[in-house]
Amino acid sequence: GNSVTQMEGPVTLSEEAFLTINCTYTATGYPSLFWYVQYPGEGLQLLLKATKADDKGSNKGFEATYRKETTSFHLEKGSVQVSDSAVYFCALSKETSGSRLTFGEGTQLTVNP
Amino acid sequence: DAGVIQSPRHEVTEMGQEVTLRCKPISGHDYLFWYRQTMMRGLELLIYFNNNVPIDDSGMPEDRFSAKMPNASFSTLKIQPSEPRDSAVYFCASNLGYNTEAFFGQGTRLTVV
Repeated sequence: GNSVTQMEGPVTLSEEAFLTINCTYTATGYPSLFWYVQYPGEGLQLLLKATKADDKGSNKGFEATYRKETTSFHLEKGSVQVSDSAVYFCALSKETSGSRLTFGEGTQLTVNP
Repeated sequence: DAGVIQSPRHEVTEMGQEVTLRCKPISGHDYLFWYRQTMMRGLELLIYFNNNVPIDDSGMPEDRFSAKMPNASFSTLKIQPSEPRDSAVYFCASNLGYNTEAFFGQGTRLTVV
């Protein structure tokens, strides 16, 4: 079946540090890949997505590139801010599975001033 | 649109009682999802609907759980009888279909004592 694996958390960084959160997936064919973010006390919201190999999704300084050869979709940001503190979820969907999203475990990020 | 609206935001109930969670999806969205979030198990898809019809309820943990979508603008998730292990945050989400952004409600935090 489809699955998503994220790097273990939590991750704690200082402001302006470089961020990488690893995400790998298992799926046949060509899934679409997503990063969602959850701020404290809120629901998840879409951060970025990529729908085919070598696509790069980007938003709010975050980037992730769809790597088919390594089945990965790592999230990066060059300089994090305190306001980036949240839980980040990697997810995939496949057309053959309808509209459902399969989520990874989530990675808690804390950015200290 | 006000987004996906869930009620109540918080629910505290005694073991054995019936609990009903409510969700109003975004108007025009064809898909509605119910997720459960816990520290131990992360985000789990319980059930999802397409055009008010349940498509996959394989994530519903037990017969104590049931979900309905009587019309395009309303869905309920019912737990009867509730147990302490049902304590979690329950999210409702909706989208237009495959590859489109899923919009999440703010969740219902359920505590069963």
